Amino acid sequence: GAVVSQHPSRVICKSGTSVKIECRSLDFQATTMFWYRQFPKQSLMLMATSNEGSKATYEQGVEKDKFLINHASLTLSTLTVTSAHPEDSSFYICSATGTHYNEQFFGPGTRLTVL
Amino acid sequence: AQSVSQHNHHVILSEAASLELGCNYSYGGTVNLFWYVQYPGQHLQLLLKYFSGDPLVKGIKGFEAEFIKSKFSFNLRKPSVQWSDTAEYFCAVNGGQAGTALIFGKGTTLSVSS
Repeated sequence: GAVVSQHPSRVICKSGTSVKIECRSLDFQATTMFWYRQFPKQSLMLMATSNEGSKATYEQGVEKDKFLINHASLTLSTLTVTSAHPEDSSFYICSATGTHYNEQFFGPGTRLTVL
Repeated sequence: AQSVSQHNHHVILSEAASLELGCNYSYGGTVNLFWYVQYPGQHLQLLLKYFSGDPLVKGIKGFEAEFIKSKFSFNLRKPSVQWSDTAEYFCAVNGGQAGTALIFGKGTTLSVSS
């Protein structure tokens, strides 16, 4: 199956700093990428959908100025958590799909801890 | 509103017991249905999926699910669980179009004792 990678797998940062998370499709062209957030012992909540070359579409309640998403190429999307605070600590997961797929392929996730 | 409901929050079974996890969805139009598994400390893995055709879908590791359109259900089953099946299970749905975001249920924790 198609492979999606995320980097970094874990990041610890100080409150007020910004953190960038990368999501890459390794062996297919990802026309659409999704960013999810998962709190401990809870389900995945969709944060935003991004199509290559377009602005991301954010779900209700997700601050677009805080969670900056860029999908500049068919293999890379980035999520930047700006001015991170402890409440932003979570597990961030990306997924990707392409023109010939009806399913999404998930990355391994990034554990963000904000001190 | 679109939603997925998983009835069982935590299921505890002994090895060799049979498993059925409930999933109901509310979604207008054509749907694709999925079950994902998340083992402790690992990322999501696709167990099985339904797009169309035979409503009884077989997936990996002996799992299967049945799509019952009239009941808006997509229950996951396994005849005989193993200790290694201990994990979190998520039901998810999206529209029939490629590039549609997934809506996840809250998940069911399965604990299997040996």
